[in-house]
Amino acid sequence: KAGVTQTPRYLIKTRGQQVTLSCSPISGHRSVSWYQQTPGQGLQFLFEYFSETQRNKGNFPGRFSGRQFSNSRSEMNVSTLELGDSALYLCASSLSGPGVGYTFGSGTRLTVV
Amino acid sequence: GENVEQHPSTLSVQEGDSAVIKCTYSDSASNYFPWYKQELGKRPQLIIDIRSNVGEKKDQRIAVTLNKTAKHFSLHITETQPEDSAVYFCAASIGQAGTALIFGKGTTLSVSS
Repeated sequence: KAGVTQTPRYLIKTRGQQVTLSCSPISGHRSVSWYQQTPGQGLQFLFEYFSETQRNKGNFPGRFSGRQFSNSRSEMNVSTLELGDSALYLCASSLSGPGVGYTFGSGTRLTVV
Repeated sequence: GENVEQHPSTLSVQEGDSAVIKCTYSDSASNYFPWYKQELGKRPQLIIDIRSNVGEKKDQRIAVTLNKTAKHFSLHITETQPEDSAVYFCAASIGQAGTALIFGKGTTLSVSS
């Protein structure tokens, strides 16, 4: 059974640019969540999608957005990149939400220069 | 807002000793408490979890206890081994139907042989 797949693994962008990250959940999983991981702030919740609907959103500026497609794949977008957006972005999937079989992907390492 | 505090931030033990990591949470509606282990350069992996209707759960050398009245939960690792060295994160469910997790800042556990 394939795990949670995130692409790309590494990304270098310039301040002011925008970026799109992709997450393919485990087959059959309908919930996809995104987290930002930094050394100073740890793991911080960005948003959660279930059946193409955003059910919950963390405390991040509007530059961070996401969506989920009918096949449960999800993308997150960050516009007008800032240096502070440099982080590991982790995606996690489960059947119905964080309470059931939550599995993380390996993440996308974003560096903003 | 909701918060999860985790202590200690670093923990060093000798092989064979026990290790205890403690977390407190603020959202009385939280009903799911997972623990994740993250080795250097790898994704967080679920090691054990507990629901609010259970006071204790054990899986081989790992156990978790929950005190809902005091809003704290703990991870206990017995007979530690060098391969237990990693960063451990506690988390609590928050938000609509618990569709998000709020994480503690992590504990770096070092087990020396």
